[in-house]
Order: sequence, then C-alpha cells, then structure tokens
Amino acid sequence: DAKTTQPTSMDCAEGRAANLPCNHSTISGNEYVYWYRQIHSQGPQYIIHGLKNNETNEMASLIITEDRKSSTLILPHATLRDTAVYYCIVRVDGGKLIFGQGTELSVKP
Amino acid sequence: DAGVTQSPTHLIKTRGQQVTLRCSPKSGHDTVSWYQQALGQGPQFIFQYYEEEERQRGNFPDRFSGHQFPNYSSELNVNALLLGDSALYLCASSWLQVTDNEQFFGPGTRLTVL
Repeated sequence: DAKTTQPTSMDCAEGRAANLPCNHSTISGNEYVYWYRQIHSQGPQYIIHGLKNNETNEMASLIITEDRKSSTLILPHATLRDTAVYYCIVRVDGGKLIFGQGTELSVKP
Repeated sequence: DAGVTQSPTHLIKTRGQQVTLRCSPKSGHDTVSWYQQALGQGPQFIFQYYEEEERQRGNFPDRFSGHQFPNYSSELNVNALLLGDSALYLCASSWLQVTDNEQFFGPGTRLTVL
C-alpha cells in the first residue's frame, strides 16, 4: 500500500480557500486518492476521491497532478466548522484505508 | 436513512476482561470494516468482513476477532484486554460491489481499560 505525506498542521482564514497538499509518490496505477476529515472525537467523514482526473463535489475539489504523485484538496470557502484533521489516503478498490497522521487544519476568524 | 450505528457509546473494562462491540452498517451496505484509533493517532485497520467472512486483516493479534451476521451487522470481540487496548473503535460500512466505494464511518465506541 502506498504511503502519504502531509503537513502536520495548517491555518486558514475564514472565508478563504484552504489548500491541503498530499504527497503520494509511490502510488500504484490502480490506487485511488481518498480524502477524509475527522472532527474531534467523531468518526471520519468522507470528503472526495479520485483516480486520475480532478474531481469536485459540494464539499471540496481534488486536484491530482498528471504523474499522480501528489494531490491537493481545496475547500473553496473555509468556515470555522471546517476545523478538523484531514487525512489523505491511497487505496485499492474496496480495500482497507491506511490513515497517516493527517493535517490538522485550523480555520480562524 | 440511518447511517452507521455503533453500540455502546462508551465502555469501561478492567485488564484481562473481554469486550464485544457492535455495529450496524448503513442501509444497502454489505461490507463492514473495523478500525482502532488511539489518542492522537490516525485510525488503524483491524479487519474487514464481507459475506460473513474475514476478507482482510491488519496487524492485530488474535485477541481481536470479529463476526458478521446475515443482516450484515458485525461484532468486534477483544479478549484478555490490555491497558493499550484503550482507544476509540470505529466501524465503517461500504458496498463492495461498487468499484470505487467510500467507507461510511460510525461515531465509534470509546473503550477504556483500567
């Protein structure tokens, strides 16, 4: 299973875009990039996932580089409720999720 | 539509005891995965059940066992509890037949071993 590298923590001003980077240089061709977030003491919440193309949903956008070795999760207009730990995960279909330490995002007023 | 539910919410046990945690998957899901999350760490994969059989297993000792029932609900059993087993235990459900499926997590069971 490919491993991911994320910054330990980031700050973002409320209303601004939050850009969370992730490095997954050993990703295999059949591995997807998933993003989850976890608000304190709650279960992780699915955000978005992708294989090769950029993806967007109501929560966020996922930008994957052409060589697939890194990606960026974008929260377009961060709110205080987006303060959480964000996990970038690479995963084979249906398989286990391997969580790293994640990025602790603090959205400040 | 109820999401993933887990019971109990909190549990306190003493060393050497046994514990059973329960999980009901999201409606329509047939696969259940269990994770252990120690304080300050990311969740660690324990095992996954599909069609009442263990499909994948993480690096956990045999003291950790599970079961899946015909209605897709699942139990996690931990025998001979150690202090280090204190953690948040998370259950996640998914639909294995969907190619790129997300796992939906429950709120977790907080286990404290004294």
